[in-house]
Amino acid sequence: AQSVTQLGSHVSVSEGALVLLRCNYSSSVPPYLFWYVQYPNQGLQLLLKYTTGATLVKGINGFEAEFKKSETSFHLTKPSAHMSDAAEYFCAVSEESDNQGGKLIFGQGTELSVKP
Amino acid sequence: EPEVTQTPSHQVTQMGQEVILRCVPISNHLYFYWYRQILGQKVEFLVSFYNNEISEKSEIFDDQFSVERPDGSNFTLKIRSTKLEDSAMYFCASSAWASKETQYFGPGTRLLVL
Repeated sequence: AQSVTQLGSHVSVSEGALVLLRCNYSSSVPPYLFWYVQYPNQGLQLLLKYTTGATLVKGINGFEAEFKKSETSFHLTKPSAHMSDAAEYFCAVSEESDNQGGKLIFGQGTELSVKP
Repeated sequence: EPEVTQTPSHQVTQMGQEVILRCVPISNHLYFYWYRQILGQKVEFLVSFYNNEISEKSEIFDDQFSVERPDGSNFTLKIRSTKLEDSAMYFCASSAWASKETQYFGPGTRLLVL
């Protein structure tokens, strides 16, 4: 069965510092991996995704993530945090099943706070 | 840019009442989903829907839940007899044929059962 583990329910960084949010997954087949962001009182916005090909994927707002199969990880990074990055971040995995689309399995989320 | 919309944004109901949550997926999408997020917990899959039938459902999605695509644009989630533990944020999502793995989420409906 698929699962996602996000290490750290809360991460706090200073503005301008590196952001690193950790995600490890388990999947019996090559996974599709996603990061979503949820701003307060809003829905889930897709940040980036890995399906196939290049293992380093770039997303919106300067975020990127690297798929490391050997480590079963998909950590999210951003070189320099901005105050507007404060939000909750969810890592998710899916396995496409035939032509039916694939449910997303989410991690428990990491709340990122950015200090001035 | 096309987006998934959901109505209402908030709903308060009494335990035992029926509620219908509505979603308008992105217009050319063919796969539809409902998820829920209980306050402080992770987002959980409820059900997926394709070609006018349920593709997959979780164990949460019991007989009290149903989904329907009543017309060419709406996708609804009905809870027949709400329980206190149904209080949550409910998200609708949709994905396209060409990239069915990529789901786009609506803003959610916050349901409070009293």
